[in-house]
Amino acid sequence: ETGVTQTPRHLVMGMTNKKSLKCEQHLGHNAMYWYKQSAKKPLELMFVYSLEERVENNSVPSRFSPECPNSSHLFLHLHTLQPEDSALYLCASSQDYPGTYEQYFGPGTRLTVT
Amino acid sequence: AQSVTQPDIHITVSEGASLELRCNYSYGATPYLFWYVQSPGQGLQLLLKYFSGDTLVQGIKGFEAEFKRSQSSFNLRKPSVHWSDAAEYFCAVAGRVAAGNKLTFGGGTRVLVKP
Repeated sequence: ETGVTQTPRHLVMGMTNKKSLKCEQHLGHNAMYWYKQSAKKPLELMFVYSLEERVENNSVPSRFSPECPNSSHLFLHLHTLQPEDSALYLCASSQDYPGTYEQYFGPGTRLTVT
Repeated sequence: AQSVTQPDIHITVSEGASLELRCNYSYGATPYLFWYVQSPGQGLQLLLKYFSGDTLVQGIKGFEAEFKRSQSSFNLRKPSVHWSDAAEYFCAVAGRVAAGNKLTFGGGTRVLVKP
């Protein structure tokens, strides 16, 4: 595997389900990100992890819970979601300290909440 | 706060014609600027970046972009468009959070290519 991978690619879940999205980066980076991409809205940064510590949480509802067990893996745990949470969830990684700023994205997980 | 504006939501161009996508940014210091492309159902792929130096930067797939500080712009160009260039294009500016970095994206420009 190369680059940034995300699983699953598609997920349909009910409002009472609990599921997790997984992201893995094979680039040796030390920062990882979750973004939400909804139709007709700009990309929204949700969470930033640098050196495995969460450094940004952009007022994301608590029904989204991130986890970064090591610098290569990032999870987004989902529970009691709402239909408006249906979107493409993108994971990205970058090299920080020293920073090069460019982020590399995975293919995304298309989430549908029914 | 940093921001990015892409004034054109949709652009239609004929195959073989030239393409220019506009990007204007607002940032207090020297910006780090990027263009990404997203094909349907896919993630974002980095086309090119500007950090410093030569204001005309070359990227992948035959794209180039020019940084103009006086106009706060970073427009993307391609001399001859191929049907495979149909996609959505995002301009972004980088800034710092407490640690780690943050990209602020424009709203995107969707490019349609006519045969």
